[in-house]
Amino acid sequence: DGGITQSPKYLFRKEGQNVTLSCEQNLNHDAMYWYRQDPGQGLRLIYYSQIVNDFQKGDIAEGYSVSREKKESFPLTVTSAQKNPTAFYLCASSIQRQETQYFGPGTRLLVL
Amino acid sequence: GQQLNQSPQSMFIQEGEDVSMNCTSSSIFNTWLWYKQDPGEGPVLLIALYKAGELTSNGRLTAQFGITRKDSFLNISASIPSDVGIYFCAGRTTGANSKLTFGKGITLSVRP
Repeated sequence: DGGITQSPKYLFRKEGQNVTLSCEQNLNHDAMYWYRQDPGQGLRLIYYSQIVNDFQKGDIAEGYSVSREKKESFPLTVTSAQKNPTAFYLCASSIQRQETQYFGPGTRLLVL
Repeated sequence: GQQLNQSPQSMFIQEGEDVSMNCTSSSIFNTWLWYKQDPGEGPVLLIALYKAGELTSNGRLTAQFGITRKDSFLNISASIPSDVGIYFCAGRTTGANSKLTFGKGITLSVRP
């Protein structure tokens, strides 16, 4: 089946620790995105990538980093600089940047 | 920046009732998307609209792209308990730097 997978489903971070969230897609989509969702809020764009080895900051990139070494993969690292990391993180992809986005199942990050 | 307004934040209806929710913006959009998110899951695309005035159905769901291109609405007919969830609208402008802007979502509850 084609789709977007995110792992793990739940992730716990200790103070001062970096953690990496995985996002993989087998849809052959060029563009991939990371969003953050907080209760009662819409989706806020963290980073996006239109093509391999290229990525751009979204609206709330501070404290996050990404890489796009393969078309299928767009991992997100939540660094210790992100002071309020507890949220639901959603990865999405689209054929190209202008096209409709399809979402993964999400990863919930909690701080211990 | 561009903002999409969805209100109210929550809606409560009786099973079998129809419900309508709309999404408005001060900006003109060229694409409107409606997503549904179940608790703890990623949003799933319900309907995509690409042309002003377009009316599209997906089962019991009907959505329309407003003629002014500044609004869209989603109707759910004969609601059932599994319609419970958060309904997000999203809009996109044209241009190389266009991005998808999300509303904050409406939480729908259906009483059996």
